[in-house]
Amino acid sequence: NAGVTQTPKFQVLKTGQSMTLQCAQDMNHNSMYWYRQDPGMGLRLIYYSASEGTTDKGEVPNGYNVSRLNKREFSLRLESAAPSQTSVYFCASSRDRGGSTEAFFGQGTRLTVV
Amino acid sequence: QKEVEQDPGPLSVPEGAIVSLNCTYSNSAFQYFMWYRQYSRKGPELLMYTYSSGNKEDGRFTAQVDKSSKYISLFIRDSQPSDSATYLCAMTPYSSASKIIFGSGTRLSIRP
Repeated sequence: NAGVTQTPKFQVLKTGQSMTLQCAQDMNHNSMYWYRQDPGMGLRLIYYSASEGTTDKGEVPNGYNVSRLNKREFSLRLESAAPSQTSVYFCASSRDRGGSTEAFFGQGTRLTVV
Repeated sequence: QKEVEQDPGPLSVPEGAIVSLNCTYSNSAFQYFMWYRQYSRKGPELLMYTYSSGNKEDGRFTAQVDKSSKYISLFIRDSQPSDSATYLCAMTPYSSASKIIFGSGTRLSIRP
């Protein structure tokens, strides 16, 4: 059982370049999330999707877009990367619709914008 | 002021010691409290989960919530080198994961 799979694991971008971070889960979860983790800041929610076809902004959505392609996949796009977006990005999923607060995380994508 | 405050550490203790990790929070609506463990270069994983005030024990781990003081703790007994990780507290007012607020994490190192 793979759980939550993120690709790529590492990426270096130049300022202004675009890229899409991919995430897929095989647990039949309804909700999916994108977080960024920076030193001293903990995990901050960028966007989340409570179900297929819906997305909502989190705490730090500026500079990002998301797509919930189907129940399994939730992608994060940086249209014009900036050095401030250098971070570790985590995708997560949770069952919800039943009162579960447990979020399962992927291994993370380490992104550096130069 | 952050909604959830957590001492970043690092905290270094000898093997076998009792470890106490703590978080304070400001939002009295929080009802669901969690501790996540994150090993280096890995994603966080849920360690303990409690609802409202009280204690919960799971093996060597005890989670404690004091809603009157807006203070939560995680105790690790007989600490092992394998417990070396970053521990993040997390909390939410709702019975769903969509509004979880995480602390910044405490780096813990257990010396053999």
